[in-house]
Amino acid sequence: DAGVTQSPTHLIKTRGQQVTLRCSPKSGHDTVSWYQQALGQGPQFIFQYYEEEERQRGNFPDRFSGHQFPNYSSELNVNALLLGDSALYLCASSHQAGYTFGSGTRLTVV
Amino acid sequence: DQQVKQNSPSLSVQEGRISILNCDYTNSMFDYFLWYKKYPAEGPTFLISISSIKDKNEDGRFTVFLNKSAKHLSLHIVPSQPGDSAVYFCAANAGGTSYGKLTFGQGTILTVHP
Repeated sequence: DAGVTQSPTHLIKTRGQQVTLRCSPKSGHDTVSWYQQALGQGPQFIFQYYEEEERQRGNFPDRFSGHQFPNYSSELNVNALLLGDSALYLCASSHQAGYTFGSGTRLTVV
Repeated sequence: DQQVKQNSPSLSVQEGRISILNCDYTNSMFDYFLWYKKYPAEGPTFLISISSIKDKNEDGRFTVFLNKSAKHLSLHIVPSQPGDSAVYFCAANAGGTSYGKLTFGQGTILTVHP
């Protein structure tokens, strides 16, 4: 049984570009949450999706947007990338219980 | 505004001894607390949790203590093993669950020496 799968594992983007990160939840999970982990910090909650709707949102600007598909997979989109967006982006899935985290996507903005 | 703080960036312990990791919080609305462990190149994995209606929860070698009046929680690992070496994060939720919006601390790097 595969856990949470994130793609790509690493990518490098230029300031001002747009990026899309992808997440496939663990089998049986219907809720997907996204976290940003900057170097030396703990993960910060970006938003959570359930039934294809954004259910909760953290303190992130509108440049961060997401989507959940009918198969429960999810995308995180970041527009107008800033150097400060460089971080590890973690996807976590759940179903009325605790999170299972993916290994993350390491985004570097240059 | 750091609502969850882990003031010790690192902790070094000898194998077999006790490891104590500490966490403080400021938001009195938090009612569910969790500890996660993270190895390099992996996502965080859940260790143990505690509801605000309890002051202690045990699971094998891991025990979490909650002091609501001090807004403080701690994770005890006894006995510590070299495989416990990882980054430990405490996290808190104001919704009484383990899967809502979690607020994490900065993490403590635990090193257990053989």
